Amino acid sequence: GDSVTQMEGPVTLSEEAFLTINCTYTATGYPSLFWYVQYPGEGLQLLLKATKADDKGSNKGFEATYRKETTSFHLEKGSVQVSDSAVYFCALSERGNQFYFGTGTSLTVIP
Amino acid sequence: DTAVSQTPKYLVTQMGNDKSIKCEQNLGHDTMYWYKQDSKKFLKIMFSYNNKELIINETVPNRFSPKSPDKAHLNLHINSLELGDSAVYFCASSLTSGEETQYFGPGTRLLVL
Repeated sequence: GDSVTQMEGPVTLSEEAFLTINCTYTATGYPSLFWYVQYPGEGLQLLLKATKADDKGSNKGFEATYRKETTSFHLEKGSVQVSDSAVYFCALSERGNQFYFGTGTSLTVIP
Repeated sequence: DTAVSQTPKYLVTQMGNDKSIKCEQNLGHDTMYWYKQDSKKFLKIMFSYNNKELIINETVPNRFSPKSPDKAHLNLHINSLELGDSAVYFCASSLTSGEETQYFGPGTRLLVL
């Protein structure tokens, strides 16, 4: 069945450090891939998405590239800020099927 | 305007009580969801409705009963609350079922004493 595996947290970085959060997936077809972010005390918000292989999603300085050959959708940001502290969820969905969320990776950025 | 709203935001209640959480979306979406998020932030889908019809019903105790009076509303009723029901419950909606982006409500923090 479909599933998403993302790196365990928590992750703690200094401001302006480079961020990578790994995400790999298993799917029977050609899923769409998503990164959602949950700020403290809030619901999940879509951060970025990619709907086909080699697509790059980007938003707020974050990027992720849909890699079919490695079944990955790693999240990256070149220079994190304190305001990026949140929990990040990788997710996939195939048409007609439900969403599958990863377990979430907590990021704390310290000044 | 709030796209997906939930009430109440906080709910503290005694074991054994019955409670309801309401969800409304004003996005014109066909599909709505209920998720449970535990203390470790693990997010688990509970139910999904498409145009008022149940399409996903994960392994959830039958004390939990969703009700969709129309496609803009999906309420969650919980009978005989237990300590383990304490969690944050999120409602979400999407244009259709499947690979569409989901839009989440702010969550309802349930604490069962």
